[in-house]
Amino acid sequence: TQLLEQSPQFLSIQEGENLTVYCNSSSVFSSLQWYRQEPGEGPVLLVTVVTGGEVKKLKRLTFQFGDARKDSSLHITAAQPGDTGLYLCAGDQMGYGQNFVFGPGTRLSVLP
Amino acid sequence: KAGVTQTPRYLIKTRGQQVTLSCSPISGHRSVSWYQQTPGQGLQFLFEYFSETQRNKGNFPGRFSGRQFSNSRSEMNVSTLELGDSALYLCASSQETAVSYGYTFGSGTRLTVV
Repeated sequence: TQLLEQSPQFLSIQEGENLTVYCNSSSVFSSLQWYRQEPGEGPVLLVTVVTGGEVKKLKRLTFQFGDARKDSSLHITAAQPGDTGLYLCAGDQMGYGQNFVFGPGTRLSVLP
Repeated sequence: KAGVTQTPRYLIKTRGQQVTLSCSPISGHRSVSWYQQTPGQGLQFLFEYFSETQRNKGNFPGRFSGRQFSNSRSEMNVSTLELGDSALYLCASSQETAVSYGYTFGSGTRLTVV
């Protein structure tokens, strides 16, 4: 059983569409991070959220941390082919920042 | 500045053999973490080292071990390899913790056990 669940598992959309991916848990996290991983590479950090209800924007990407700090969402506006990749959420359950638990990921494909 | 360097990039080993993977973190980063990534299980935490001490350990058998040197470089070793150890092994470095600036991952070592 995964501590963090992500949905959908796969998503294929056309360029210009909007999308939202979700990261859910029954556990509380002191902070949560989103990463994007491209084939053959390691994950790259997109954002860290630490406060319940926090919303962060990174160009066309909007990240939200749930009020109870158990869930998060990533919304992409006007998706581009360069957004293609595996999106991973990672939660710090213990609060020490030394051991992040990763979700299984959402594999996004944006078609031109 | 240079990123996290993992060597080798690819490795093929036979069941029963042992393997050592190497990771050079970003200069100034003192924490090094190792993760195993497989299609079925995703990223699973192996262990984390800080200033040559193992601070955290995941739920992996004792065949998986690691160490960190005084220059923060880290190695992980897997003994008595099994087919199920085939995976992408990712090393990640961070400052004291990964909360503020997250992990910086290397490109990984793809291990295939035959």
